[in-house]
Amino acid sequence: EPEVTQTPSHQVTQMGQEVILRCVPISNHLYFYWYRQILGQKVEFLVSFYNNEISEKSEIFDDQFSVERPDGSNFTLKIRSTKLEDSAMYFCASTGLAGGRGDEQFFGPGTRLTVL
Amino acid sequence: AQSVTQLGSHVSVSEGALVLLRCNYSSSVPPYLFWYVQYPNQGLQLLLKYTTGATLVKGINGFEAEFKKSETSFHLTKPSAHMSDAAEYFCAVSVSPSGGYQKVTFGTGTKLQVIP
Repeated sequence: EPEVTQTPSHQVTQMGQEVILRCVPISNHLYFYWYRQILGQKVEFLVSFYNNEISEKSEIFDDQFSVERPDGSNFTLKIRSTKLEDSAMYFCASTGLAGGRGDEQFFGPGTRLTVL
Repeated sequence: AQSVTQLGSHVSVSEGALVLLRCNYSSSVPPYLFWYVQYPNQGLQLLLKYTTGATLVKGINGFEAEFKKSETSFHLTKPSAHMSDAAEYFCAVSVSPSGGYQKVTFGTGTKLQVIP
């Protein structure tokens, strides 16, 4: 069964460093998303991406964040200068051709980012 | 804007007892509703979803949920709890602001403990 994959599973970095979180969405999907879950809190929407453009972003997704689809398979989230409060689990998701409201979002297993 | 409220951050049930996890939503448009389960240190797995049609939705692992528009609720139930059901459960609502993509808003989650 097709699945969304994410690497690495755990990333430890020093405050102020840049990190890139990587995702490989399901191959025929067109819409891609990043979510964040701070430990013990709910899952929060960060950004959605379609046709090589950001479709929507939340207030959390400030200038320190960027997304990119560098090739036909990868979808990345970059944090330019990490802060302690960026420590969280980051989930990538993708949806299929229709992309409508009822489409299931397929989530990856997440990358746990720890900023020291 | 849409929102989801999950009543009870922690629920404990005895093995074999009824599981009831409560979810209420608000949405300015007809909602699509989801329940996801998250096992420790894992990603999000879709349990079930309501889009249109039958208001009683059956999902995996014996779970079901009923969409009640008049009560703006989408409670999750399972007749008999198993030890393997211990996990965190997230209710979510999906909207599509425009362009065919969707944004999922999650509730704060309910941790289910199953007591032997």
